[in-house]
Amino acid sequence: EVQLVESGGGLVQPGGSRRLACAASGFTFTNYWINWVRQAPGKGLVWVARIRGDGGRPQYADSVKGRFSISRDTADNTVVLQMNSLRAEDTALYYCARAYADWHGLDVWGQGTTVTVSS
Amino acid sequence: DIQMSQSPSSLSASIGDRVTITCRASQSVSRTVNWYQQKPGKVPKFLMYTVPKLQSGESADPSRFSASGSETDFTLTINSLQPEDFGTYYCQQTYSGPPTFGGGTKVEI
Repeated sequence: EVQLVESGGGLVQPGGSRRLACAASGFTFTNYWINWVRQAPGKGLVWVARIRGDGGRPQYADSVKGRFSISRDTADNTVVLQMNSLRAEDTALYYCARAYADWHGLDVWGQGTTVTVSS
Repeated sequence: DIQMSQSPSSLSASIGDRVTITCRASQSVSRTVNWYQQKPGKVPKFLMYTVPKLQSGESADPSRFSASGSETDFTLTINSLQPEDFGTYYCQQTYSGPPTFGGGTKVEI
């Protein structure tokens, strides 16, 4: 079964850090881009970051550039989103989702993991 | 970055109606727009790409859903709206730069 499973969410103080992971199974991991998309409570979808199948070309939304870092570990089919200098506006449900190419849609999504930034 | 704006932000329609959702890009994105459906409390689902059958993983019922457009103006049409079609629909451009989403259109039955 094709599956993406996020982990690592939780409560973090403003200015703090959090590491999210996206574990992939059921497909050839290196053939797909992995994206992170977030959704604040009651709000729409916002793309956050993505990385190519071979670990190249990490890309970020302007709102997280310089604070978030995306990487992938092909040994265990995992993509990590390292989030630093967190702000209240980063509070959201974070989804990882795959795309076959950078121009393709996100055809498989995980269930999401919630990050709450609050003191 | 390319901005995507959707209209309307919400609509109410009856079963059997034809519904059209519009998405406008701030600059040309060729035909590279994807559509998603999200039901309350659920994970977004990839509906379709502007060019039919060019991508795998599309979940839209082709007998009722169609997508069209090019350059800056795109539409998602639902023919004969069904009860299971309620939810919020998002467009997304994957043509250039950050793959930005529109703000969403909430469809109520």
